[in-house]
Amino acid sequence: RKEVEQDPGPFNVPEGATVAFNCTYSNSASQSFFWYRQDCRKEPKLLMSVYSSGNEDGRFTAQLNRASQYISLLIRDSKLSDSATYLCVVYGGSQGNLIFGKGTKLSVKP
Amino acid sequence: GAVVSQHPSRVICKSGTSVKIECRSLDFQATTMFWYRQFPKKSLMLMATSNEGSKATYEQGVEKDKFLINHASLTLSTLTVTSAHPEDSSFYICSARAGQNTEAFFGQGTRLTVV
Repeated sequence: RKEVEQDPGPFNVPEGATVAFNCTYSNSASQSFFWYRQDCRKEPKLLMSVYSSGNEDGRFTAQLNRASQYISLLIRDSKLSDSATYLCVVYGGSQGNLIFGKGTKLSVKP
Repeated sequence: GAVVSQHPSRVICKSGTSVKIECRSLDFQATTMFWYRQFPKKSLMLMATSNEGSKATYEQGVEKDKFLINHASLTLSTLTVTSAHPEDSSFYICSARAGQNTEAFFGQGTRLTVV
């Protein structure tokens, strides 16, 4: 099993839709979790950290399920500008590294 | 968020030459820096992890003698691609982290083209 797995997509959704991404991780000792966003040919940028209690930032909600070892990202009322690749990142792999998922591509259409 | 500056943003070099890429944390001390490579339409691939003052830990399949990493201070890490070949052409990105369990911030990336 890969350390961090994501559905690569692409997810093609209309403006205004709600879309959810899941990410599973294999190391139960993982300690920190993040969602990053990467635009084409740009560096990844932190979208939000994921806390055990779940957290929300505007239209974005992140949740962590330790028992099932997955994190999720929910985007409500999708905007065209949300089109990007969303990377799931887990800290605390076997060598204490940041482990990236391969990313989920989101395309929001008018 | 914190600022990580990577330089140069774009470089074209001749095959056989060496290229140095710098990664600086501008407003925090980075105990750990990561170097990634990303080929077009592919995911980020971790090349190596470096902790200030110690040797970098390279991922399997990454040649440490070809990709020299130096992390001599808490604000600067360098990646030198030695004897570059066209297949080394890629997007190289660094990230820096202040401490364990904290988020990492990324440099702008360096697009290397070897001709």
